[in-house]
Amino acid sequence: AQSVTQLGSHVSVSEGALVLLRCNYSSSVPPYLFWYVQYPNQGLQLLLKYTTGATLVKGINGFEAEFKKSETSFHLTKPSAHMSDAAEYFCAVSVAGGGADGLTFGKGTHLIIQP
Amino acid sequence: KAGVTQTPRYLIKTRGQQVTLSCSPISGHRSVSWYQQTPGQGLQFLFEYFSETQRNKGNFPGRFSGRQFSNSRSEMNVSTLELGDSALYLCASGYSSANTEAFFGQGTRLTVV
Repeated sequence: AQSVTQLGSHVSVSEGALVLLRCNYSSSVPPYLFWYVQYPNQGLQLLLKYTTGATLVKGINGFEAEFKKSETSFHLTKPSAHMSDAAEYFCAVSVAGGGADGLTFGKGTHLIIQP
Repeated sequence: KAGVTQTPRYLIKTRGQQVTLSCSPISGHRSVSWYQQTPGQGLQFLFEYFSETQRNKGNFPGRFSGRQFSNSRSEMNVSTLELGDSALYLCASGYSSANTEAFFGQGTRLTVV
C-alpha cells in the first residue's frame, strides 16, 4: 500500500514570496504523483502530475514540482505567490498501471497568502 | 468539453434514510471513482468503476455501494445513513483509469441529521 505525508497543515507566505509545499510518499512500486488544489466548497483541480519521464513537472498557474526518488519527495513550488493561490493543496499517489487503492491523498496543506 | 458533473450539490437527509448521488463523467471517460472527504479522515477512496464493472473498492462498509451505466454515468448509494456519513462526496473520471489522471467534479455535500 502507498501513503503520503504532507509536512505542515498550514503554510503562510507573503504575496510575491516563494511557495514551497512539501510532500513525501511511500510506495513499493513506481508511483504516479499528483498535486491538486481545492478552493472552498469546490472539487479538486489537478495542478500537475508525474507519471514517467522528466522529473521536473510544470503545471498550471505557475506551479511546478520535482520528483526525487532518492528522497521519496514531490515538493510543490511557485516562485511568486499570488493572493489567488490561497487554497487547500493535496498531494496524492497512485500505483503505476493501476491499483486497488485508487488515489491515496495526504491530509492537505492550507496555503495562506499574506498581503 | 464539459467537466465532471455531480448532482445534487447539496443534500440533507435524516439518520436511517438512504441516499443516491449521481456523477456524469467527462465525455469519453470510462473510469469513474468516488471519494469521501471529511475534516477528520481527509480524502478516502470508496470505489472505482470501469465499463460498468466495479474494479476496486476501498475500506468502507457494505452500506456504501455504486454502479455504472453503459454511458459511463455512475451513481453511489448509501443506505441506513449515519451521522458520520456527513461528508463531501467527490467523483472523479479518467480515460482508462482514474488512478493515472483523475478529473474531479465539484462534489455533493451530504449532511445527515
